[in-house]
Amino acid sequence: GAVVSQHPSWVICKSGTSVKIECRSLDFQATTMFWYRQFPKQSLMLMATSNEGSKATYEQGVEKDKFLINHASLTLSTLTVTSAHPEDSSFYICSASLHRNTIYFGEGSWLTVV
Amino acid sequence: DQQVKQNSPSLSVQEGRISILNCDYTNSMFDYFLWYKKYPAEGPTFLISISSIKDKNEDGRFTVFLNKSAKHLSLHIVPSQPGDSAVYFCAASSGNTGKLIFGQGTTLQVKP
Repeated sequence: GAVVSQHPSWVICKSGTSVKIECRSLDFQATTMFWYRQFPKQSLMLMATSNEGSKATYEQGVEKDKFLINHASLTLSTLTVTSAHPEDSSFYICSASLHRNTIYFGEGSWLTVV
Repeated sequence: DQQVKQNSPSLSVQEGRISILNCDYTNSMFDYFLWYKKYPAEGPTFLISISSIKDKNEDGRFTVFLNKSAKHLSLHIVPSQPGDSAVYFCAASSGNTGKLIFGQGTTLQVKP
């Protein structure tokens, strides 16, 4: 069964609105989670590192005010896409590591902004 | 700057034959490498990994080879099966972070 769960799997939102995606680690605590984005037929691009109890670390070129990350507990990280635009439509995936050799990915969340 | 590169976007192999997927990297600080299989609109599924202190790791039909001097790794699948058809990503990390840098992916098609 899944050890990292994402919700929702699919979401459609209107341009200008905000949408939240949740990433939960099941059966283990994750002090660090990661958020990736994949555009069609492209690679998975790391967006940010989510740190429990502290601010997220964003990769170069990722707008921290647009992609709000909250890691409020050891099992939950949330990604909020604020003021979404059609170009934000993408497949968002989170991961959590139990230890260095074991990295689990969520099922992914497909966002479509209309 | 693409630190992890998979230069072959696609590969087609006959069932039962060997599939070889290649990956190159530029960052000499990478010390851990992983291969993932992915279907559209799903999260990646872990296949096999290798530490930089090794040059080969085998798990069933999957073998990963690492050539540090060439900064090159490859995934061998033998024998290939139609169910192996998917997009394969190699990924690399440095230090004990869990943060991965992915290649562009190679679409493998195994024909019956």
